[in-house]
Amino acid sequence: NAGVTQTPKFQVLKTGQSMTLQCAQDMNHNSMYWYRQDPGMGLRLIYYSASEGTTDKGEVPNGYNVSRLNKREFSLRLESAAPSQTSVYFCASSESFLNTGELFFGEGSRLTVL
Amino acid sequence: GQQLNQSPQSMFIQEGEDVSMNCTSSSIFNTWLWYKQDPGEGPVLLIALYKAGELTSNGRLTAQFGITRKDSFLNISASIPSDVGIYFCAGQSFGNEKLTFGTGTRLTIIP
Repeated sequence: NAGVTQTPKFQVLKTGQSMTLQCAQDMNHNSMYWYRQDPGMGLRLIYYSASEGTTDKGEVPNGYNVSRLNKREFSLRLESAAPSQTSVYFCASSESFLNTGELFFGEGSRLTVL
Repeated sequence: GQQLNQSPQSMFIQEGEDVSMNCTSSSIFNTWLWYKQDPGEGPVLLIALYKAGELTSNGRLTAQFGITRKDSFLNISASIPSDVGIYFCAGQSFGNEKLTFGTGTRLTIIP
């Protein structure tokens, strides 16, 4: 049982390049989330999708876009990468948006922007 | 926005010692959670607390939901090498389903 799968696990970009982080969950969860983790900052919510067909901004959405492709998949896109977006990105899912306490996380995607 | 202050930021202990960490909020939460992140992995839920004053155990881990609803505590007894990692508190408040995470406590065990 894979749970939450993220790709790629590592990526190096130059400033201005674009890329998409992919996330898929096999637990039939309704809600999915993208977080970034920076030293001393904890986990900060970028975007979330409470249910298939909906997406909303989180705490730090600037510079990102998301797509909830179907119930399983939720992608995060950086249109023009900046050094400030160097971070570890985590995708997560939960059974429902009202039960966000029990989040299941992927292994993370480490992104470096030069 | 809401802020969670987690302390200490880091701990260096010897195997077998007990560990205590806490989390305080500027606002009231109706749910407190504790997650652990192993090196190179995503966070995993350890304990969930849903009621003020609640004390819940999971093996050697014990967590408490503060009576004021603005704080929570996590204790680890008789630490072992696999306890190494980052521990995050997280809170959820009424009317805001999104979780707020603390800044984390990094636990290191000295040989």
